[in-house]
Amino acid sequence: EVQLVESGGGLVKPGGSLRLSCAASGFTFSNAWMRWVRQAPGKGLEWVGRIKNKIDGATTDFAAPVKGRFTISRDDSKNTLYLQMNSLKIEDTALYYCTTDVAVAGTGAFDVWGQGTMVTVSS
Amino acid sequence: DIVLTQSPDSLAVSLGERATINCKSSQSLLHSSNNKNYLNWYQQKPGQPPKLLIYWASTRESGVPDRFSGSGSGTDFTLTISNLQAEDVAVYYCQLHYNTPHFGPGTKVDIK
Repeated sequence: EVQLVESGGGLVKPGGSLRLSCAASGFTFSNAWMRWVRQAPGKGLEWVGRIKNKIDGATTDFAAPVKGRFTISRDDSKNTLYLQMNSLKIEDTALYYCTTDVAVAGTGAFDVWGQGTMVTVSS
Repeated sequence: DIVLTQSPDSLAVSLGERATINCKSSQSLLHSSNNKNYLNWYQQKPGQPPKLLIYWASTRESGVPDRFSGSGSGTDFTLTISNLQAEDVAVYYCQLHYNTPHFGPGTKVDIK
């Protein structure tokens, strides 16, 4: 079964840091471009960032609101994706999903999603 | 930056009737290299992650009921839910892929 399971969310003070993990199974993780998408409470979906696979250079891209504060990395030996979040702001409070394209690669769509992990930034 | 807008913000439709959701992009999403529109549709029910319904504007994802259909090209797109069922109550998002992904603001569908 194709699956993504996020973990690492929690309550953190403004200016603090948190690292999220996303464990993948059921597909060839090392081939996949992986993404993070977030959803603030009661709000819509917001793309956070992406890491390509190693063949494509494992390069990362980020949305403007998180650029310079968030980094994405991957450990293909552990089939795990990471999101390191530094200098957290109250507006980073959201449910963070990892997502990818398995059966729809190349379409720009995401067909596999985790259940999300909640990050709350509050003093 | 490309901007995606959706209309309406919300709608209520009677069971068995049709729901129509519009999505408009500020730039064309038609790629000349393959003649594909990089516009996708998702359904999100409360407490659940988004579920891919339609990709390339009109290709139904595997397992998605055929009452869901997508149409449009360039900058204007439509998601149609024919014969609305109770389980279709959800928020629907369009999403473009143009260098980086962007999501529309969402349209909430309820039963009238």
